[in-house]
Amino acid sequence: AQKVTQAQTEISVVEKEDVTLDCVYETRDTTYYLFWYKQPPSGELVFLIRRNSFDEQNEISGRYSWNFQKSTSSFNFTITASQVVDSAVYFCALKEGGTGFQKLVFGTGTRLLVSP
Amino acid sequence: DAGVIQSPRHEVTEMGQEVTLRCKPISGHDYLFWYRQTMMRGLELLIYFNNNVPIDDSGMPEDRFSAKMPNASFSTLKIQPSEPRDSAVYFCASSLDWGQNSYEQYFGPGTRLTVT
Repeated sequence: AQKVTQAQTEISVVEKEDVTLDCVYETRDTTYYLFWYKQPPSGELVFLIRRNSFDEQNEISGRYSWNFQKSTSSFNFTITASQVVDSAVYFCALKEGGTGFQKLVFGTGTRLLVSP
Repeated sequence: DAGVIQSPRHEVTEMGQEVTLRCKPISGHDYLFWYRQTMMRGLELLIYFNNNVPIDDSGMPEDRFSAKMPNASFSTLKIQPSEPRDSAVYFCASSLDWGQNSYEQYFGPGTRLTVT
């Protein structure tokens, strides 16, 4: 069965600090897809990134970067030089590949508080 | 392009009343998903449609919940009769065909339902 674990319930940092949000997943499929979503205080869920299991390249987008390591089944998210606007709940999610498996399973989320 | 549209944004109703939540997916998307988010259970997939056909409704809590998608641009989630434990934020999401390359889901702003 597929599972996503976000062990960090809440993280508090001061502006300009770097912070890493951990995500560990479990799946038996060799083809799968990993996602990160952001849920700011306003409540909407904002898509951040998708990563396929056959592409282990790390990705950087501005202050955001993602480290995908199949050997440890992890897909961690780092925010460099955090800002107050980064305060939100961040969800990691997994979808297994193949026909019939369309379910997106979410982790429990990590609440990030960035103070000025 | 407009994102996923949900209405109403907030709904307060009394126990026993019928509640109908509405969703307009992103034009061209052929998958539509309904989720429920609560503090206790996190994000749960209730049901999803492909080309207007319900594919997996195993997450629908009980017979009081029903969902329809009469056409590609409209879906409803109905609760009849409503109960206080149905209080949650209900999200609608849509995506392109997952097929060989899974596309991300885009979420609407959610409907916050309070049943008193």
